[in-house]
Amino acid sequence: DAKTTQPNSMESNEEEPVHLPCNHSTISGTDYIHWYRQLPSQGPEYVIHGLTSNVNNRMASLAIAEDRKSSTLILHRATLRDAAVYYCILSGGDMLTFGGGTRLMVKP
Amino acid sequence: DSGVTQTPKHLITATGQRVTLRCSPRSGDLSVYWYQQSLDQGLQFLIQYYNGEERAKGNILERFSAQQFPDLHSELNLSSLELGDSALYFCASSVYSRNTEAFFGQGTRLTVV
Repeated sequence: DAKTTQPNSMESNEEEPVHLPCNHSTISGTDYIHWYRQLPSQGPEYVIHGLTSNVNNRMASLAIAEDRKSSTLILHRATLRDAAVYYCILSGGDMLTFGGGTRLMVKP
Repeated sequence: DSGVTQTPKHLITATGQRVTLRCSPRSGDLSVYWYQQSLDQGLQFLIQYYNGEERAKGNILERFSAQQFPDLHSELNLSSLELGDSALYFCASSVYSRNTEAFFGQGTRLTVV
């Protein structure tokens, strides 16, 4: 699977939007972009995934660059419960390979 | 609640011993994945099964083995345990084998003393 690059940590204020970036310059045409998050003491939780077009669901939005070399996970209104490690993963095959992720801290 | 059940939640055992971790996937999910998470290694993919057959293999040690049974539950067997095997072991399941949402269990915390 191709590699992703994410900032180690980010900070946000409660009730403000958060944009979590991910670079994946070696993405192949068949790689899907997945986002998972892991809250403290819990298993990872699916957030969203997409291939080429932007995607929205009840949790977040995924904005994918036109050349697909980068993507951004958007949390429209951060809450304290959104404090977690967010993983951006490329998967063209069967498994999800987790990198280091971005630790999101949300300030009240 | 993800619908994926892992037992036991906690396990403490001595070096050299063998343990079995169990995973019940969500109803209807055919694919099961095992991951290991330790403080210094992050989430490491171990192995995946799809409808009873091994589909993908990661950095799984030879001392570790897994299987998926006809009722789709899976077991991860860890033998000749070492202190370094202490970690959280997560199971995940999904409907298909690729590019679908995976649901993770709460994990089994293994401590080897």
